[in-house]
Amino acid sequence: KAGVTQTPRYLIKTRGQQVTLSCSPISGHRSVSWYQQTPGQGLQFLFEYFSETQRNKGNFPGRFSGRQFSNSRSEMNVSTLELGDSALYLCASSSESGQYNSPLHFGNGTRLTVT
Amino acid sequence: DQQVKQNSPSLSVQEGRISILNCDYTNSMFDYFLWYKKYPAEGPTFLISISSIKDKNEDGRFTVFLNKSAKHLSLHIVPSQPGDSAVYFCAASEGAAGNKLTFGGGTRVLVKP
Repeated sequence: KAGVTQTPRYLIKTRGQQVTLSCSPISGHRSVSWYQQTPGQGLQFLFEYFSETQRNKGNFPGRFSGRQFSNSRSEMNVSTLELGDSALYLCASSSESGQYNSPLHFGNGTRLTVT
Repeated sequence: DQQVKQNSPSLSVQEGRISILNCDYTNSMFDYFLWYKKYPAEGPTFLISISSIKDKNEDGRFTVFLNKSAKHLSLHIVPSQPGDSAVYFCAASEGAAGNKLTFGGGTRVLVKP
């Protein structure tokens, strides 16, 4: 099976712009989660989508949003970019949500740099 | 408030010896724990997990131990191999929170040949 695919791998944006990141989960996986990794805060949960519904949300401002399509592919959007949004954004998929035998499988991430 | 902590930022071990990574948590609602390995420029790779109803889980060279009363888990890698050199993250979740994982800060492991 192909793994989790994230596009693009690298992105450079200017403060105030918006950005959309894309994630294709492993075939058959219905849950997609997004995480932000920064040197200062580590890996932090953004949100999870399961069968097109947001199941959970982390402590991020409303500028961070996401959605999931009927084929389980997901996008996340960040509006009005700030310098502090520079980070590695990781997408992860699993077959189920909150099940012990359904661990998250991560993609290689999108490196976002805001200048 | 860091709910999951890995107090050792780095660990150096000789090839063939045991690597022991530690993780402490504060949230008593966590009932599922995982370990991930991360190489540079790649996403985390799932290694092994354990639910709170167990105190030990083994998978090949990897064993995870859970001490619920101490809110402590550890990952043992035996024997350590140079390819194990990576950053290791422990993570925890509550079943009701779906796939929301709370991660520790990571431990960088270097296995010397």
